[in-house]
Amino acid sequence: NAGVTQTPKFQVLKTGQSMTLQCAQDMNHEYMSWYRQDPGMGLRLIHYSVGAGITDQGEVPNGYNVSRSTTEDFPLRLLSAAPSQTSVYFCASSYFRPSGANVLTFGAGSRLTVL
Amino acid sequence: DAKTTQPPSMDCAEGRAANLPCNHSTISGNEYVYWYRQIHSQGPQYIIHGLKNNETNEMASLIITEDRKSSTLILPHATLRDTAVYYCIVRLSPRTGANNLFFGTGTRLTVIP
Repeated sequence: NAGVTQTPKFQVLKTGQSMTLQCAQDMNHEYMSWYRQDPGMGLRLIHYSVGAGITDQGEVPNGYNVSRSTTEDFPLRLLSAAPSQTSVYFCASSYFRPSGANVLTFGAGSRLTVL
Repeated sequence: DAKTTQPPSMDCAEGRAANLPCNHSTISGNEYVYWYRQIHSQGPQYIIHGLKNNETNEMASLIITEDRKSSTLILPHATLRDTAVYYCIVRLSPRTGANNLFFGTGTRLTVIP
């Protein structure tokens, strides 16, 4: 049981390049989400998904696309990288509890630098 | 939307109890309080959550005031490995739905030998 796996761990891009951050979970969780964390700040929600085929925007969605074709995978796409997207990205997943509580399991993070 | 207020930093002596406060005066009746921690630059780790009653698990205890406007996370015997940033969280604004969690800047706890 690997939990939430993110790849790559580190990536350097040039401005204008595109790339995809991968996120996979093996816990059959319905809910998945992407956060970014900038130095000295908390995590900010980019996009989230409540199940395969369903995605929605979070706090800071501009410049990012997501899709959820399977329960296991939730890739985050940067269409045209900008220096402002230099950050550490975390993927998280959870299952929906009858109580309504949302207990997230996080991946180890992907550190992205845009030059 | 409910937000939280935490002190930016705290110190605690190794072996003593660490009491981390959190104010969430605008919390609504059906919103949970969650606590996570982040060690270095690792992914955040879930600690505990609660609605109205006090909760305890193998990691910590959560004390929620009767009016639910504040809570305290208690690490009963802090160790050096508990040095981390601790986040107190309530649900994000309903406009984003799905019980998304809003992470503030947290409290940086330093456990001192």
